[in-house]
Amino acid sequence: QITLKESGPTLVKPTQTLTLTCTFSGFSLSASGMGVGWIRQPPGKALEWLALIHWNDDKRYSPSLKSRVTITKDTSKNQVVLTMTNMDPVDTATYYCARLLPHYDILTGYYPLYCFDCWGQGTLVTVSS
Amino acid sequence: EIVLTQSPATLSLSPGERATLSCRASQSVSTYLAWYQQKPGQAPRLLIFDASNRATGIPARFSGSGSGTDFTLTISSLEPEDFAVYFCQQRSSNWPITFGQGTRLEIK
Repeated sequence: QITLKESGPTLVKPTQTLTLTCTFSGFSLSASGMGVGWIRQPPGKALEWLALIHWNDDKRYSPSLKSRVTITKDTSKNQVVLTMTNMDPVDTATYYCARLLPHYDILTGYYPLYCFDCWGQGTLVTVSS
Repeated sequence: EIVLTQSPATLSLSPGERATLSCRASQSVSTYLAWYQQKPGQAPRLLIFDASNRATGIPARFSGSGSGTDFTLTISSLEPEDFAVYFCQQRSSNWPITFGQGTRLEIK
């Protein structure tokens, strides 16, 4: 069974740095084709992809947030960490981590399909002074 | 950045009816499009990947079609548990990953 769970502060002040941890089980991020991403959703609004990290430590970021966001992994702890600097009230949202759907091809082995098949429950982060 | 536009914003139907949801991309995404269902207070659930492939455990009443810029999610006969918000998401070679703004499927 695959599970993911987000943890971190529920309230941060403007200009502070947010650090969220995604702890997962049921798969290994060191396995070829695996990846974990972060997605957020302001209350009542649409989903926004933030960042993702691959099994080989290749990282991708949303261009609109690239200067503020860092994603790292600790394979031994089965964790992925998202750091977002200079938080603002507009960053108030539920933050989700999710696994990239892996796909197997007989010729190329496992590779990620860039959609998210397993999600954490999400954590609401409020930015307010 | 590829923009996904979903229509309609809200769809009002009755159980047993057929639902057709649309997602249009601002440029071709080939078949690299996924659909998610989200119920209040829950995380999204992957329904369809690569335009027409059902994810594990998704009932056969859900189907996806399309390629290029125009995509459709069809629910053949609505069950009470299908009333939710649906999002499309593209994963073309052009980063970033983007989502549509969602279609709310409500009970008529």
